[in-house]
Amino acid sequence: DIVMTQSPPTLSVSPGESATLSCRASQSVSANIAWYHLKPGQAPRLLISAATTTATGVPARFRGSRSGTEFTLTISSLQSEDFGVYYCHQYDNWGTFGGGTIVEMK
Amino acid sequence: DALLVESGGGLVQPGRSLTLSCAASGFTFDDYAMHWVRQPPGKGLEWVSVISWNSASIGYADSVKGRFTVSRDNAKRSLYLHMNSLRPEDTALYYCAKDVYASNGGGMDVWGQGTTVTVS
Repeated sequence: DIVMTQSPPTLSVSPGESATLSCRASQSVSANIAWYHLKPGQAPRLLISAATTTATGVPARFRGSRSGTEFTLTISSLQSEDFGVYYCHQYDNWGTFGGGTIVEMK
Repeated sequence: DALLVESGGGLVQPGRSLTLSCAASGFTFDDYAMHWVRQPPGKGLEWVSVISWNSASIGYADSVKGRFTVSRDNAKRSLYLHMNSLRPEDTALYYCAKDVYASNGGGMDVWGQGTTVTVS
């Protein structure tokens, strides 16, 4: 099974700062990963698919990148609505989510 | 707007069965693959199952393989998850979600609000 490892578990960020979230796949998943944002009481929201493609309606401050089996979600100039939990998800071999990164206000 | 509404959750004893349903509207249901994803209390998201647009391709997480069965009825615009031999560790909020593509290939861009299953 493919294991997706997210780091750090928690990230403390002030509004206006940038945040860098990482996700490592245990084996090649090509570019077949997505990123989601989950806030309490809400359904997950798709941010990025195919490692680097921003989903419809997602602000340009969200950017996905890839280097081999390492994937990065960068949020520039964090807004108050951006706090919450972020998950990566590989769909190259059925599906697996990472353990999540909590982005909290510093 | 695309909308997914799950139903069928509830309290069930270990070893028993339960079927979840997901009603879709606002998009061409039979153009897309559909997923089930769950979130146990206080834990992260866990992918459960996917079914392609025509039911030809179906996949399951190892944790549910052999116990859960996913199906869809395109005429009724509905997705189902039949869960057998339920265990306490199956307790979770269950989401249905729409794939970006007809097969498992692009992430999930529409999600329901979830239905809660408690096995106890």
